[in-house]
Amino acid sequence: DVKVTQSSRYLVKRTGEKVFLECVQDMDHENMFWYRQDPGLGLRLIYFSYDVKMKEKGDIPEGYSVSREKKERFSLILESASTNQTSMYLCASSFSRGWGLNQPQHFGDGTRLSIL
Amino acid sequence: GENVEQHPSTLSVQEGDSAVIKCTYSDSASNYFPWYKQELGKGPQLIIDIRSNVGEKKDQRIAVTLNKTAKHFSLHITETQPEDSAVYFCAASTNAGGTSYGKLTFGQGTILTVHP
Repeated sequence: DVKVTQSSRYLVKRTGEKVFLECVQDMDHENMFWYRQDPGLGLRLIYFSYDVKMKEKGDIPEGYSVSREKKERFSLILESASTNQTSMYLCASSFSRGWGLNQPQHFGDGTRLSIL
Repeated sequence: GENVEQHPSTLSVQEGDSAVIKCTYSDSASNYFPWYKQELGKGPQLIIDIRSNVGEKKDQRIAVTLNKTAKHFSLHITETQPEDSAVYFCAASTNAGGTSYGKLTFGQGTILTVHP
């Protein structure tokens, strides 16, 4: 089974801190994604990566950055945490099978981040 | 970009009844439509998906239908059981490859409650 592991289930940080959320997948997937989940808004894409050192902005990238130095690891960085970034953060990964062959995304169990 | 609308936001049924969740999408180029189930404290898990060259797909008690002309797709759960209680998300995606890399746009989610 595909396993996507997020380093923390719960995290509490202070306003202005630099926050790192880590995600590791064990299936050699090319694509990795970071979402935030808020009630009534579904899952919104922050950033994704289709290869090592490659990244693309999603729908809500402001206030975030990412790093992908190794294929299996994708990090989300909150440069200067603010209270409106309190949320559930979900990481996902998927194979890349070529044009027209979208593959399912596999999710981790999430990190619930509170910014005080 | 793609926009996915999901209804209803909450759905309450009696055990044994059927449940239907509906989604509409805006981008006619979308060609992959997965459905995810999220249980409390867990990440979303894929339960069924459909591609645009198919009108219907079934897996035991779960079925998905797709109407490309009307740009809507639906999840049908028959003979519901209490363990079906969860949050369900629909999603839509355009081609993998190019700049989309299997990026998903999610609906807002439906909280399904099955009463024993």
